[in-house]
Amino acid sequence: DGGITQSPKYLFRKEGQNVTLSCEQNLNHDAMYWYRQDPGQGLRLIYYSQIVNDFQKGDIAEGYSVSREKKESFPLTVTSAQKNPTAFYLCASSPWTGDNSNQPQHFGDGTRLSIL
Amino acid sequence: QKEVEQNSGPLSVPEGAIASLNCTYSDRVSQSFFWYRQYSGKSPELIMSIYSNGDKEDGRFTAQLNKASQYVSLLIRDSQPSDSATYLCAVKGDFNKFYFGSGTKLNVKP
Repeated sequence: DGGITQSPKYLFRKEGQNVTLSCEQNLNHDAMYWYRQDPGQGLRLIYYSQIVNDFQKGDIAEGYSVSREKKESFPLTVTSAQKNPTAFYLCASSPWTGDNSNQPQHFGDGTRLSIL
Repeated sequence: QKEVEQNSGPLSVPEGAIASLNCTYSDRVSQSFFWYRQYSGKSPELIMSIYSNGDKEDGRFTAQLNKASQYVSLLIRDSQPSDSATYLCAVKGDFNKFYFGSGTKLNVKP
């Protein structure tokens, strides 16, 4: 089945440690996104990528890094510089056929990150 | 800064009633609008898309769009306890960026 796979489902980070969250999609979508959701809050954009080898910062990029070496994959690294990483992280993708495209985003199941 | 505003709720309705969820947005050039349902601890799932002024119906769900007033709404008819969730309004902007409201929590009481 086509979809977006995020792993792991749960992740624990120690002080000073970098951790990487995986996001893979087999929908052949061009655009991929990372969001952070805190309890009772909406979605905040961390990074997004329209094409391979290109990505842009979202509203809360500090303390995070990404890469887009393959169309199917968009991993997110939460660095030690992110002092409050505890949150629900959501990866999404969408097709892109130009700015006027009406295509929605589709989401993976999320990764819940906590500090040890 | 493009903004999408929703009443955080909770909105409580009895089973079988109509639930009305509202959303306003600030960017006049936005063309695509989406409603997502998010159960507690789960990821958002798409339930409705709307692009043209007027109403769009899909089963018990009706999305309404008024671009002049920059307003989009979601009506849920014959509400069921299984509809209890947080509903997120999303607006698509330039360069394939999406802007989300903070969500409205809906409680449907049996």
